[in-house]
Amino acid sequence: NAGVTQTPKFQVLKTGQSMTLQCAQDMNHEYMSWYRQDPGMGLRLIHYSVGAGITDQGEVPNGYNVSRSTTEDFPLRLLSAAPSQTSVYFCASFSQGDTGELFFGEGSRLTVL
Amino acid sequence: RKEVEQDPGPFNVPEGATVAFNCTYSNSASQSFFWYRQDCRKEPKLLMSVYSSGNEDGRFTAQLNRASQYISLLIRDSKLSDSATYLCVVNGGSGNTGKLIFGQGTTLQVKP
Repeated sequence: NAGVTQTPKFQVLKTGQSMTLQCAQDMNHEYMSWYRQDPGMGLRLIHYSVGAGITDQGEVPNGYNVSRSTTEDFPLRLLSAAPSQTSVYFCASFSQGDTGELFFGEGSRLTVL
Repeated sequence: RKEVEQDPGPFNVPEGATVAFNCTYSNSASQSFFWYRQDCRKEPKLLMSVYSSGNEDGRFTAQLNRASQYISLLIRDSKLSDSATYLCVVNGGSGNTGKLIFGQGTTLQVKP
């Protein structure tokens, strides 16, 4: 089982560039989320989705867009990257029918210059 | 105020010590509670869920106090391998079960 797959693992952008972080899960989980983690800040929820076609904002949504056209995929888009978006990004999924355990991808380290 | 708050530590304890972490949450409608463990530069992993009556898994005991909106994690007989960051996680309530909010984490360093 692949679980949750995130790409790319590392990315360097210039201010103003756009990019998409990809996330795919093969566990048929309804719920998917994107978090960012900065030193001393823990994980902060950016956006989440409770099923295909349904997304909602988390704690820090500004500067990010998401869509959920399929159960498997939940891409995160940065439309105009800023240095404040330098962070480690984690995608996660879970099934409410189970324990609610989040399954995480390995993380994507993004640097915006 | 953050929805989920933890003392960031660090907690430096000797092997064999008992250590307790606390977590408070602001949403009284929250229904699901978890403790996660994160090793340096790795993704978080579920340590244990927290049930209303309290629950134990080996050396780890989790407690929930709904009235005070407070969760705790007790680690007995600390091992060197327990060194990690412990994250408290709370959901957004019955209408918001897909929204899982993390505390900032508490760092534990167990020393020989």
